[in-house]
Amino acid sequence: NAGVMQNPRHLVRRRGQEARLRCSPMKGHSHVYWYRQLPEEGLKFMVYLQKENIIDESGMPKERFSAEFPKEGPSILRIQQVVRGDSAAYFCASSPGTGLYNEQFFGPGTRLTVL
Amino acid sequence: AQSVTQLGSHVSVSEGALVLLRCNYSSSVPPYLFWYVQYPNQGLQLLLKYTTGATLVKGINGFEAEFKKSETSFHLTKPSAHMSDAAEYFCAVYNQGGKLIFGQGTELSVKP
Repeated sequence: NAGVMQNPRHLVRRRGQEARLRCSPMKGHSHVYWYRQLPEEGLKFMVYLQKENIIDESGMPKERFSAEFPKEGPSILRIQQVVRGDSAAYFCASSPGTGLYNEQFFGPGTRLTVL
Repeated sequence: AQSVTQLGSHVSVSEGALVLLRCNYSSSVPPYLFWYVQYPNQGLQLLLKYTTGATLVKGINGFEAEFKKSETSFHLTKPSAHMSDAAEYFCAVYNQGGKLIFGQGTELSVKP
């Protein structure tokens, strides 16, 4: 059973470009979470999605950031008009979505560098 | 609101010495608590978790943690450090809404 897949692993963008980060959850998992890790900091929650629904986006910046988890295909975190402050590691996690507590399994992350 | 505080952003120990990484939490509901390890340029790997039941939790690689409600703590320990333990360690509390709240992390260095 493959783990959580993220691609690309490294992404370099110039200021003003768009960044698209992809996350394929573990097989059988219908819940996806995105976290951001800024340099020298812990992980901060961004958004929680189920198939075709955003459950909690309280950690998403109000502008330029969006996320989706379509019925088919991976979850996408999209950052428009990137700025240097967006440089960070972006981690995706997935869970099966059943029971009181759902363990989250993390992907290897996408490291975004904005020049 | 829930929060996690990890005391000490950097901890250095000698190989074979005791490892103690401190974590205190704040939660208005019975917490679910976790320790994750992150090796350089990699994702997070679950070391251990406390949900209910026994307060002393054993994890992978010889690590264990004890949930102490009275002290709101969940410190991570390992009796004897190994060079391969050098990594970043994160304590986290599970928010009932589904997200994990992480501490700022503790970088563990192991000296030969």
